[in-house]
Amino acid sequence: DAKTTQPPSMDCAEGRAANLPCNHSTISGNEYVYWYRQIHSQGPQYIIHGLKNNETNEMASLIITEDRKSSTLILPHATLRDTAVYYCIASGAGSYQLTFGKGTKLSVIP
Amino acid sequence: DTGVSQNPRHKITKRGQNVTFRCDPISEHNRLYWYRQTLGQGPEFLTYFQNEAQLEKSRLLSDRFSAERPKGSFSTLEIQRTEQGDSAMYLCASRPGATGNTIYFGEGSWLTVV
Repeated sequence: DAKTTQPPSMDCAEGRAANLPCNHSTISGNEYVYWYRQIHSQGPQYIIHGLKNNETNEMASLIITEDRKSSTLILPHATLRDTAVYYCIASGAGSYQLTFGKGTKLSVIP
Repeated sequence: DTGVSQNPRHKITKRGQNVTFRCDPISEHNRLYWYRQTLGQGPEFLTYFQNEAQLEKSRLLSDRFSAERPKGSFSTLEIQRTEQGDSAMYLCASRPGATGNTIYFGEGSWLTVV
């Protein structure tokens, strides 16, 4: 899996969009970008993943740059329940597991 | 709830005792994972099963650790002669078939060795 780099922490005002960046400059062509989050004391929760195109689901949007060297996870209207550690992972079809880093601790402020 | 189920959720044990955790994956998911997570760190891969076959083990999985998935359904993770350094959350995850790498985690089993 390609190495990913995320800021250790971020704050976001409640109701605003939270934009979480991730750098993956060495990502290879067959590696997807996955995002998970982990709320305190719970197991990681899958959010979204993508290869080249931007993706959106009921939880979030994923914006991947054209060169695929970075991506941004967008939570459109952050709530207090979105306070969590967010992990960005690059993983390809040839890899059987996901390698987690330390992630970004997002704090949503009232 | 049809998610990944882990038991027990919390376990406190004395150093030197053996502990066993059980994981029931999502139905029909033939791939099963164990991860370990210590405070302030992301989850670390321990081992991986495809059906009943254990296909990969991390160097983190010392000789005191053993995982099984006897019938390709539920799995157990046993830690023998526990040490204080084994205190962590043990996470089980599963995924279906051969397509994609999206894995789905359980709520984890917390182990405290005193």
